[in-house]
Amino acid sequence: QVQLQESGPGLVKPSGTLSLTCAVSGGSISSSNWWSWVRQPPGKGLEWIGEIYHSGSTNHNPSLKSRVTISADKSRNQFSLKLTSVTAADTAVYYCARVNDYGGNDYWGQGTLVTVSS
Amino acid sequence: EIVLTQSPGTLSLSPGERATLSCRASQSISSRYLAWYQQKPGQAPRLLIYGSSSRATGIPDRFSGSGSGTDFTLTISRLEPEDFAVYYCQHYVSSPATFGQGTKVEIK
Repeated sequence: QVQLQESGPGLVKPSGTLSLTCAVSGGSISSSNWWSWVRQPPGKGLEWIGEIYHSGSTNHNPSLKSRVTISADKSRNQFSLKLTSVTAADTAVYYCARVNDYGGNDYWGQGTLVTVSS
Repeated sequence: EIVLTQSPGTLSLSPGERATLSCRASQSISSRYLAWYQQKPGQAPRLLIYGSSSRATGIPDRFSGSGSGTDFTLTISRLEPEDFAVYYCQHYVSSPATFGQGTKVEIK
């Protein structure tokens, strides 16, 4: 059973950088899957942030412009998200997930709330 | 960017009734890359359907998906108390892999 666990600071100051890590167990990020980040502002819907393949290939949501960096650490079996120049609009629950062969996210972390506030 | 529009926004039904949720894409997409999720308060989304019609592992057969082109449907044949939740569709045809805005299925 694949399990994912997000970790990182729950509070980030405006204009700062949000950094989260997703630790994967019960499976390998070097498998033939993409690994994604999704966020959900309080009381709102889901927003796809981006994804990474173990080769290092990434895709990300253009709406976040160049603020997003997704990276992978195969030795630690984890992948990470960095979002720069954050504002209150980036306050959300951030989820990491595994992407199956059809694009569906079949395994999810429990999510972590990140609040942007001074 | 492909936009997914879900309707209705809220569906008020009683247990035992049939629920029909719609997801319309702004352009034709491959049915291979359309998924449906269920989300309950305080929980991560759960994959219900992938490839527009294939049930994910452990999903009861009262959930079914169909559609092609721009119009996709999630049907819950007989609502159980645990099915009252928010449902999202998502495509994976191209980046960004956008979600619909969600349909809330609430108890009437």
